[in-house]
Amino acid sequence: DVKVTQSSRYLVKRTGEKVFLECVQDMDHENMFWYRQDPGLGLRLIYFSYDVKMKEKGDIPEGYSVSREKKERFSLILESASTNQTSMYLCASSFPRSKQFFGPGTRLTVL
Amino acid sequence: QQQVKQSPQSLIVQKGGISIINCAYENTAFDYFPWYQQFPGKGPALLIAIRPDVSEKKEGRFTISFNKSAKQFSLHIMDSQPGDSATYFCAASGDFGNEKLTFGTGTRLTIIP
Repeated sequence: DVKVTQSSRYLVKRTGEKVFLECVQDMDHENMFWYRQDPGLGLRLIYFSYDVKMKEKGDIPEGYSVSREKKERFSLILESASTNQTSMYLCASSFPRSKQFFGPGTRLTVL
Repeated sequence: QQQVKQSPQSLIVQKGGISIINCAYENTAFDYFPWYQQFPGKGPALLIAIRPDVSEKKEGRFTISFNKSAKQFSLHIMDSQPGDSATYFCAASGDFGNEKLTFGTGTRLTIIP
């Protein structure tokens, strides 16, 4: 089975902290994605990567950056966390033009 | 701008009944319409998907109906079971090579005995 793992299930950070969310997939997928999920808003794409060191902005990239140094790992970075970034963060991966497999999510609280 | 509108926000259906969730889209370039199912504490998982060259796709108790002219698609769950209780998201993507999925806002489905 495809496995997408996220480094933490729950995370609590302070305003202004730099936050790293890590995602690892074990299926050699080219594509990796970061979404945030908020009640009433569904899933919104933050960034995605279609190859190592390649990235493309999603619908809500402001306040976030990403890093993909290895094919299996995709990191989401909050340079200076703010309270409006409190959310559930979901990582996904896929082959091109194929279904996306999601990780279990990281619930981030910024105080 | 919400490009995929989903309704209802929540739905309660009796066991054995039919659950229907509707989505409407605006971007005529969309050419792939998946539905994802999410249980509490889990990430979403692909349930069923359709491309606009067919008007209906069925997999077991789950059916997608697609109306290209109306820019609408819907998920029907026949003989709904308590194990179907979950949040369902419709999504769309398009333009060959465009990997971005635009999701609806989700429907929380509860099946009661």
